[in-house]
Amino acid sequence: AQSVTQLDSQVPVFEEAPVELRCNYSSSVSVYLFWYVQYPNQGLQLLLKYLSGSTLVKGINGFEAEFNKSQTSFHLRKPSVHISDTAEYFCAATTGGGNKLTFGTGTQLKVEL
Amino acid sequence: DAGVTQSPTHLIKTRGQQVTLRCSPKSGHDTVSWYQQALGQGPQFIFQYYEEEERQRGNFPDRFSGHQFPNYSSELNVNALLLGDSALYLCASTLTSYPYEQYFGPGTRLTVT
Repeated sequence: AQSVTQLDSQVPVFEEAPVELRCNYSSSVSVYLFWYVQYPNQGLQLLLKYLSGSTLVKGINGFEAEFNKSQTSFHLRKPSVHISDTAEYFCAATTGGGNKLTFGTGTQLKVEL
Repeated sequence: DAGVTQSPTHLIKTRGQQVTLRCSPKSGHDTVSWYQQALGQGPQFIFQYYEEEERQRGNFPDRFSGHQFPNYSSELNVNALLLGDSALYLCASTLTSYPYEQYFGPGTRLTVT
């Protein structure tokens, strides 16, 4: 069985500051990892994914994440946030083959002026 | 290219009633998954359909059932509704092959009173 833990339920940050949203996973087999963003009253939009290869992956809207196998982490980062980044962010894992996604409980990013 | 679509957008039902939610996958996708997202939580996997068969199932009771049609669209049925079934129901479509990305629809907000 696999599980995903998002360590912070809320992260407040000032505009133009850097941010890191933390995600740890556990799995007995290899996993593929994803970050999704959810704006109020909307579905989930894929930010980025790690499938294999380079451990640093870049996504949309200036976000990037680093896969760390030894620490079983997949933290999301952005060097300079904008007000429009205010949303809920979900880390998710799957064992592949289009299998089910296991989600973390989400991190609410609130960007303030 | 149309993405994943879901209907209806919102729905209000009474305890004990039955409900049917609908999903059309992204063009070219053959696999549909359903997730339940309770308020303030991450999405929870309900089940997945591929080639008109239930391929995987999460930890949900038999009151939750589904169907996939030859055009790959899908329905989620919930019988004997409980107050705890109030949630955002998300449909996701994917190909069961690399790169394993699941694309989500906007969701159906179900309120059970």
